[in-house]
Amino acid sequence: EVQLVESGGGLVQPGESMRLSCVVSGFNMGNYWMHWVRQDPGKGLVWLSRINSAGTNTNYADSVKGRFTISRDNAKNTLYLQMNSLGAEDTAVYYCVRDVYYRLDVWGQGTTVTVSS
Amino acid sequence: QSALTQPPSASGSPGQSVTISCTGTSSDVGDYDYVSWYQHHPGKAPKLMIYEVNKRPSGVPDRFSGSKSGNTASLTVSGLQADDEADYYCNSYAGSNKYVFGTGTKVTVL
Repeated sequence: EVQLVESGGGLVQPGESMRLSCVVSGFNMGNYWMHWVRQDPGKGLVWLSRINSAGTNTNYADSVKGRFTISRDNAKNTLYLQMNSLGAEDTAVYYCVRDVYYRLDVWGQGTTVTVSS
Repeated sequence: QSALTQPPSASGSPGQSVTISCTGTSSDVGDYDYVSWYQHHPGKAPKLMIYEVNKRPSGVPDRFSGSKSGNTASLTVSGLQADDEADYYCNSYAGSNKYVFGTGTKVTVL
């Protein structure tokens, strides 16, 4: 069974950093591009970032560029999102997503990040 | 990049059809056929329902269909069922290695 399981969320203070992880199973992650998407409380989905299968090419939404870094370890079947300088506006549920040719075909259940003092 | 515009809500009785629009620009929806639709039941993982404007993944009922005209894409759900009640989001490739989601539509089955 194809599964994506996010972890690393929780409560963090404004200005601090947090790293999310996403462990995948049921497929060879090294064959796929991967994304991070978030859902702000009571709002819609927002695309954050994409990484190619080898981990050599990354792309970001303007809202997180320079603060967030996507990376991957294919040997560990794990995707990461390093988030720095967090603010209240980053409070959200963060989803790890698999990409198959411009479609986001498999999603994790999400991990919740709360930025608050 | 600005979110694609969707109506906040749509509704229909069981068995009826509902159509959700997704309006973008000539730089995203209008320029690429990489428009997809996602069903999201709160608390669960979003599910891919339509990709490349009008293609259905394996396992998605043919009650779900997609189309596009100019800068606007649409999702139609025919033969509404109780389990179709959910939030629906469109998504488009927006060029320059970026993607954009729609604002989301809450579908209610009356």
